[in-house]
Amino acid sequence: TQLLEQSPQFLSIQEGENLTVYCNSSSVFSSLQWYRQEPGEGPVLLVTVVTGGEVKKLKRLTFQFGDARKDSSLHITAAQPGDTGLYLCAGERNNQGGKLIFGQGTELSVKP
Amino acid sequence: ETGVTQSPTHLIKTRGQQVTLRCSSQSGHNTVSWYQQALGQGPQFIFQYYREEENGRGNFPPRFSGLQFPNYSSELNVNALELDDSALYLCASSLTASNTEAFFGQGTRLTVV
Repeated sequence: TQLLEQSPQFLSIQEGENLTVYCNSSSVFSSLQWYRQEPGEGPVLLVTVVTGGEVKKLKRLTFQFGDARKDSSLHITAAQPGDTGLYLCAGERNNQGGKLIFGQGTELSVKP
Repeated sequence: ETGVTQSPTHLIKTRGQQVTLRCSSQSGHNTVSWYQQALGQGPQFIFQYYREEENGRGNFPPRFSGLQFPNYSSELNVNALELDDSALYLCASSLTASNTEAFFGQGTRLTVV
């Protein structure tokens, strides 16, 4: 069983549409990170959230950490083809820095 | 400031062979973690090295072993390769073991035939 469940696993949308990716768990995390990964490359860190209820914005991307620190969401406004990639959430448990538990990823395709 | 670099980028090995993958951590970082990413999956934590000592291990058999050197670079060794070991192997460095943020290299694509 996956400790962090991401949904949806695949998403294909048109340029300009909005989307939300969810990352859910029954476990509490000290912090949660979102990464974006392109084919043949390593994941690139987008954001880290550490406080329950925290909301962070990165241009058109909005990240939220659930109040109970068990779930998170990534919302993209007006998606662009350059947003295409694999989005991964990763949680840190019990302040075990660097020992991340990853979700299975959401493959996003934004068509022009 | 140099980022995390891994070598080689691609590797093909035969079942039963042994392989060594290498990672140079980001400048100033003393902690290296290794992950295995199978096709279509998220990365799975293998182990972490902090100041040359193993500092935590995921659910991987003993034939997966590692080293960290005084300059904080690291190696991942896999003995008795199996077909299921085919994956992208990722190295991530962190400022220190208690630091949350991890910065990944580009990975080594290992194919076992």
